Amino acid sequence: DIQMTQSPSSVSASVGDRVTITCRASQDISSWLAWYQQKPGKAPNLLIYGASSLHSGVPSRFSGSGSGTDFTLTISSLQPEDFATYYCQQANSFPFNFGQGTKLEIK
Amino acid sequence: EVQLVQSGAEVKKPGESLKISCKDSGYSFTNYWIGWVRQMPGRGLEWMGIIYPGDSDTRYSPSFQGQVTISVDKSISTAYLQWSSLKASDTAMYYCARHRNNAYDSWGQGTLVTVSS
Repeated sequence: DIQMTQSPSSVSASVGDRVTITCRASQDISSWLAWYQQKPGKAPNLLIYGASSLHSGVPSRFSGSGSGTDFTLTISSLQPEDFATYYCQQANSFPFNFGQGTKLEIK
Repeated sequence: EVQLVQSGAEVKKPGESLKISCKDSGYSFTNYWIGWVRQMPGRGLEWMGIIYPGDSDTRYSPSFQGQVTISVDKSISTAYLQWSSLKASDTAMYYCARHRNNAYDSWGQGTLVTVSS
């Protein structure tokens, strides 16, 4: 199985800050990586697929990059509604494991 | 618009069986994989398995193989997740989601399963 490791596990930031979250795969997954946002009590929402493609309706302040084993999710200017937990997921081979999550908190 | 509607919350006792559902409306149900994801209280997302409604091809995470069964009924555009003998450790929120463009682009609202004696 491919293991996904996110860092950091949690991060504190302020509105307007630029934030980067990292995801590392235990083996090469090409660009088969997705990012999700989850708010408390809600289902996750897709942000990025194919490592860098923005899902429909997602604000352009979100961006993804990377290929192979190392990936990043960047939020260019944090908005109040962005404080949530973020997960990466690989879709290269079954099982499509998720990372452990990164909780983005208000500083 | 894709919409996945899951069955309601369940409270069960250890050893009981359970089948929860995920009904699609708004797209071609047989053309995309449907997956199930577990989220235990206060924890992260866990990939359980996935099924292709067109031919019922099913794949499980090793962590869930033999513990649950994923199935579909194409005639009513519904996917299922079932347990034959629940444990307290099965207490969690369970989500179904559509797999498209190599990601889960549409999610159900979740079904909370509580297993307690």
